[in-house]
Formats: sequence, C-alpha cells, structure tokens
Amino acid sequence: SQTIHQWPATLVQPVGSPLSLECTVEGTSNPNLYWYRQAAGRGLQLLFYSVGIGQISSEVPQNLSASRPQDRQFILSSKKLLLSDSGFYLCAWSRLTYEQYFGPGTRLTVT
Amino acid sequence: SQQGEEDPQALSIQEGENATMNCSYKTSINNLQWYRQNSGRGLVHLILIRSNEREKHSGRLRVTLDTSKKSSSLLITASRAADTASYFCATHQGGSEKLVFGKGTKLTVNP
Repeated sequence: SQTIHQWPATLVQPVGSPLSLECTVEGTSNPNLYWYRQAAGRGLQLLFYSVGIGQISSEVPQNLSASRPQDRQFILSSKKLLLSDSGFYLCAWSRLTYEQYFGPGTRLTVT
Repeated sequence: SQQGEEDPQALSIQEGENATMNCSYKTSINNLQWYRQNSGRGLVHLILIRSNEREKHSGRLRVTLDTSKKSSSLLITASRAADTASYFCATHQGGSEKLVFGKGTKLTVNP
C-alpha cells in the first residue's frame, strides 16, 4: 500500500530564516506530487506541482520554491521566511485516477 | 483561483439527521471530487464522480452532479458525531494535472 510522509509536523521559525519541508511517498512510482498551503479556516491554495523528477510547475509567485530531487521526494523551501508564510502546508500525490492522497501536514508559524 | 464554492460555509446538525452540502463551479470539468478534513489533519478522499455520471453512492455518502447547472451535492445520511469535519469539493479540469479546491463546508454533528 502507498503511504505519504511529511516532516516536521510543526515548526516555529523567525522571520528571515530559511525553510525546508520534506515530503516522501512510498509504495508507488512516478507519482504526481503537489504542495498546498491552507490558511486558517480556508481552502487549499496550490503552490507547486510536479509530474516528474526535476519538473516543477509554480502556481503562485511567492517567497517559496520547490524541488524534486528523487522520484518520490518533494521539498518545499524558502531562503527567507515572511510572516505571511505562516500556515498549514500539505503535500499530496496522485496517479492517473486523479484522486489525491494527502500527507498529515506541517503547521508552520513564522514569528 | 478557487473554482469550487461550497455552500453552506458551516452546518450544525444533530446525530441521526442528514447533512447536505453543495458545490458550484465555473468551467467544464472531467470529474468532481469530495474530500474530508478533520481539524489539523490532511485531507481524505471520499468520492469521485465523473462528468458523465449523475449520481454516485459510497456507504452513507451520496453525491450528485448536474453539469448543466455546474453544481454538485454531497449528502451524508444518518450522520454521526464522528462525521464532524470540513468537507471540500475539488474539480479536475480537462488536460490539467491540477485539482481546484473550494473553501469548504464545516460540518458539526452534535451527539
């Protein structure tokens, strides 16, 4: 069976510090991978998605970047965090059936 | 931009009652999906309905799709306290790897 992992679960970082959130998928190959951000009480905003290694599509111009160094690894990064980067970050994967499977999320608070 | 818009934003009912949530969207779709999110957790896929389907059932869930009105509804029958969560619709547009999520309906089922 497939599983998706995200870490860390929670993170408190000062403004201007770097960020690295990691997502890995097990039990499948060549998945589509997605990063979303969810503000409190809001819907999901798609940040990045990837259909293969090194292939990243950015949806929203922002302070963040994404990389896919391996088939089942997706990393969300920032060189300098802003207060507005606070939120709940979700990673997801999908295959041809289009259903997306989400990780447990990372709660990021920028102080 | 958010295509799916759920209605109502919040719904509070008693255990045993039925809960109905609606979703409207703007452009043509390949399929429409419903997801559930418990507080502070990742999303869980509930059901997918394709654009050529009108109704689909899964356990206590019933989803309808009206492509002429660009709308869908999710019915949860005989609700339980454990159904308390936020419910999101998401649309998959043709030729795209992306899902577009609505802002969700927050359902509270009181015991």
